[in-house]
Amino acid sequence: DAGVIQSPRHEVTEMGQEVTLRCKPISGHNSLFWYRQTMMRGLELLIYFNNNVPIDDSGMPEDRFSAKMPNASFSTLKIQPSEPRDSAVYFCASIIPTFRGSNEQFFGPGTRLTVL
Amino acid sequence: RKEVEQDPGPFNVPEGATVAFNCTYSNSASQSFFWYRQDCRKEPKLLMSVYSSGNEDGRFTAQLNRASQYISLLIRDSKLSDSATYLCVVPISGGYNKLIFGAGTRLAVHP
Repeated sequence: DAGVIQSPRHEVTEMGQEVTLRCKPISGHNSLFWYRQTMMRGLELLIYFNNNVPIDDSGMPEDRFSAKMPNASFSTLKIQPSEPRDSAVYFCASIIPTFRGSNEQFFGPGTRLTVL
Repeated sequence: RKEVEQDPGPFNVPEGATVAFNCTYSNSASQSFFWYRQDCRKEPKLLMSVYSSGNEDGRFTAQLNRASQYISLLIRDSKLSDSATYLCVVPISGGYNKLIFGAGTRLAVHP
């Protein structure tokens, strides 16, 4: 089992550039989550999808952020234009429900984004 | 009041010590709770689930006090490998498995 796959693992870009982060959830998982983690704000939920449909994007900071899930095996988080305050680690997580409605989310290794 | 609050620490303890972390939550409707562990520069991983009053797994014990709305994690006989950040996690009711993560409590176990 490959687990949740994210790419790139590290991204360094200049302010104003477009950044696209990618995620492949675990096969069979039907919910996908995008998080952002910083020292100041901790782990914040940005958006999540259920069966490829965005359910809640209230955590998306502003219009510069957008996310898509065109199919069950792929999602993107795009920042355009990027700003230095977007520097953070971005995690993708996926979940498969169990009989208890388990909330065990499996996280990818994250993308460490630095905007100069 | 924050939805999930934790003491950030750090907790510096010697090997073999017993250490406990507390977490308070604001949503009284929450039914299940979780502790995740996050190593430095790694992703969070599920450590324990708490569905009723408590749960024990080896050296780790999680307890839930619904009346006071807090969850605790007890680690006995601490190992160097227990050094990490422990995240208290509370689901949002209403389905779709949305979780609220606490800011985490950092534990450093020293020889």
